[in-house]
Amino acid sequence: QKEVEQDPGPLSVPEGAIVSLNCTYSNSAFQYFMWYRQYSRKGPELLMYTYSSGNKEDGRFTAQVDKSSKYISLFIRDSQPSDSATYLCAMSGIGNSGGYQKVTFGIGTKLQVIP
Amino acid sequence: SAVISQKPSRDICQRGTSLTIQCQVDSQVTMMFWYRQQPGQSLTLIATANQGSEATYESGFVIDKFPISRPNLTFSTLTVSNMSPEDSSIYLCSVKRGGDEAFFGQGTRLTVV
Repeated sequence: QKEVEQDPGPLSVPEGAIVSLNCTYSNSAFQYFMWYRQYSRKGPELLMYTYSSGNKEDGRFTAQVDKSSKYISLFIRDSQPSDSATYLCAMSGIGNSGGYQKVTFGIGTKLQVIP
Repeated sequence: SAVISQKPSRDICQRGTSLTIQCQVDSQVTMMFWYRQQPGQSLTLIATANQGSEATYESGFVIDKFPISRPNLTFSTLTVSNMSPEDSSIYLCSVKRGGDEAFFGQGTRLTVV
C-alpha cells in the first residue's frame, strides 16, 4: 500500500463547478499537508499549506484535513479554465528536534475545466 | 516563496552520456532537494543536498549514478550519469525556507535516446 493515495483522474468539470480533490494516507505521523498545482511543462507551485487537522481557506481554494480519517481534500469554487492543471497532495511529519522530514507526494490528479 | 532557476529546461541526450542540471536559488537556503517525476508516478525524492556535507540519497538512488554538488547556500547541481532511456524523466530542484512547505524550480525535462 502506498503511503499516499490519490486518484490520477483525469477529472473534467464545466466552468463554474465546485471541484473536490482528495488524498488518503496511511502514515499517522504526517502533520503537515500541502497542495501543489502543476501546469504542463512547469514545476509544482505551492497552493495551500496546513498543519494538523482543520480547514484553511484562500480565495476560491479551501483545504481540509481530517486526521482521524487520514483524509485530506482541496475544494475549488467557481472553477475556471485556468485551473486546468495537475494537483498534487503532499505531506510530511515532524522531524526530530525540529529537523527535516521527507515530503511524500501523491501521484497527482489531472483536472480539466471546460469553458 | 523562493525563486528557483533550473538549467537546462530540457535536453535530449544519447545513452551512455551524462547530463548536469543546475539549480540556482535567489537567497540562501540550508536544504536543497532533487526529485524525479516520471510519467504516471508521484514525485520521488532522489537526494537531499546540504552545503558542506555529502548528499543523502534515498533508497534506490546512488551517488555514482546521481552525483550531487552543493558548493554554497544558493546553488546545487545534479548529474545523471551513464544515461539510459529509463532515465528519461523530469528532474526537479526544490528548497525549504524555514517552514515545511517545499518550493520547486520549473524542472528539467530529460529525454534519453
